[in-house]
Amino acid sequence: GENVEQHPSTLSVQEGDSAVIKCTYSDSASNYFPWYKQELGKRPQLIIDIRSNVGEKKDQRIAVTLNKTAKHFSLHITETQPEDSAVYFCAAHAGGAQKLVFGQGTRLTINP
Amino acid sequence: KAGVTQTPRYLIKTRGQQVTLSCSPISGHRSVSWYQQTPGQGLQFLFEYFSETQRNKGNFPGRFSGRQFSNSRSEMNVSTLELGDSALYLCASSQGTGRSGYTFGSGTRLTVV
Repeated sequence: GENVEQHPSTLSVQEGDSAVIKCTYSDSASNYFPWYKQELGKRPQLIIDIRSNVGEKKDQRIAVTLNKTAKHFSLHITETQPEDSAVYFCAAHAGGAQKLVFGQGTRLTINP
Repeated sequence: KAGVTQTPRYLIKTRGQQVTLSCSPISGHRSVSWYQQTPGQGLQFLFEYFSETQRNKGNFPGRFSGRQFSNSRSEMNVSTLELGDSALYLCASSQGTGRSGYTFGSGTRLTVV
């Protein structure tokens, strides 16, 4: 079945620096790749997503890139702020399966 | 518009009991999927319902079941609870067409003692 690997599991960066989280997926039929941010005790919230027919998408300080050939996608956060501290999950969705397969999560800490 | 509503927020149950959790999706969304979140296993897919039909099921024992009603509200049931069932149970609402994102509810925190 589909498998998603996410790295790193923890990431600590200085405020103002950039953070990059990477994921690889196994199912070439996957066509939708969302990223979720989960703060302690709260629900996962969608922060950005990308579909398989697009290579890159940007929303203010957040960007996602997708390499379909290599089956990997990455989250880039620039000019990090303390409120970016959270656990981030990548996921892959195969349309036929109607489910999300999640990576194991990355705990991002922004140091002031 | 209203978000995804899960009830109850917290539950404490004893081993061997059963439990029912509820999820009301965003108005107009016909798909509800359920996930189990634990520190060790992360977010694991349980099942997905669309228009009252289960379309997909994850690798969980038969003690985990669900259903969806005509108003798209969904329930999941866990029978004969085990200590390992302690987790945050999240439901996600979507249009179910593969062209929309998934919005999560706040979850139900189940503790089995």
